[in-house]
Amino acid sequence: SQKIEQNSEALNIQEGKTATLTCNYTNYSPAYLQWYRQDPGRGPVFLLLIRENEKEKRKERLKVTFDTTLKQSLFHITASQPADSATYLCALEENSGNQFYFGTGTSLTVIP
Amino acid sequence: GAVVSQHPSWVICKSGTSVKIECRSLDFQATTMFWYRQFPKQSLMLMATSNEGSKATYEQGVEKDKFLINHASLTLSTLTVTSAHPEDSSFYICSASTPTGGNEKLFFGSGTQLSVL
Repeated sequence: SQKIEQNSEALNIQEGKTATLTCNYTNYSPAYLQWYRQDPGRGPVFLLLIRENEKEKRKERLKVTFDTTLKQSLFHITASQPADSATYLCALEENSGNQFYFGTGTSLTVIP
Repeated sequence: GAVVSQHPSWVICKSGTSVKIECRSLDFQATTMFWYRQFPKQSLMLMATSNEGSKATYEQGVEKDKFLINHASLTLSTLTVTSAHPEDSSFYICSASTPTGGNEKLFFGSGTQLSVL
């Protein structure tokens, strides 16, 4: 069956440290993978997209890697801040269709 | 970035009534909109893909007669939860992809919290 799993339900880290979130998928062939941030009671907000032929993408304090052999993406937030506390979702679009599927999400809490 | 407006943000209704949720793309034309459902502390579950001018494509296990989707224009898609029951209580979110760049990213509405008594 198809699955998109994120490493843990909740992750607590100290301010200033690097947060690393994992997204693993099975039985998908994504053209690209995306990361979103969701705050409570709100819709997700797009952060980064990485294509299947890209190894790494950066945007300010954010970095995403994509390993299609391992079927895994890593999402890093460097110099984390309490304002980074939110739920982070990975999502992928199937090569074959125009549908987006989301991972289980990881709730990140950055402790001051 | 593109703006997607979703209305209402919160609705409480009696069991057996129908509820309509609207999703509008404010500054772009969305040929495709997506409807998701999210339970507390869980991820978004794709319910259906809505294409302007044609019937929606529903995911397996989603009742099309229960969740009616209409995408009559390039800027508006509606989800109607018919004969709502308490188990339909959930957070419903719509999203749209921008027409350029191969539908690469989604812009989400702010969501609708539905509570069925």
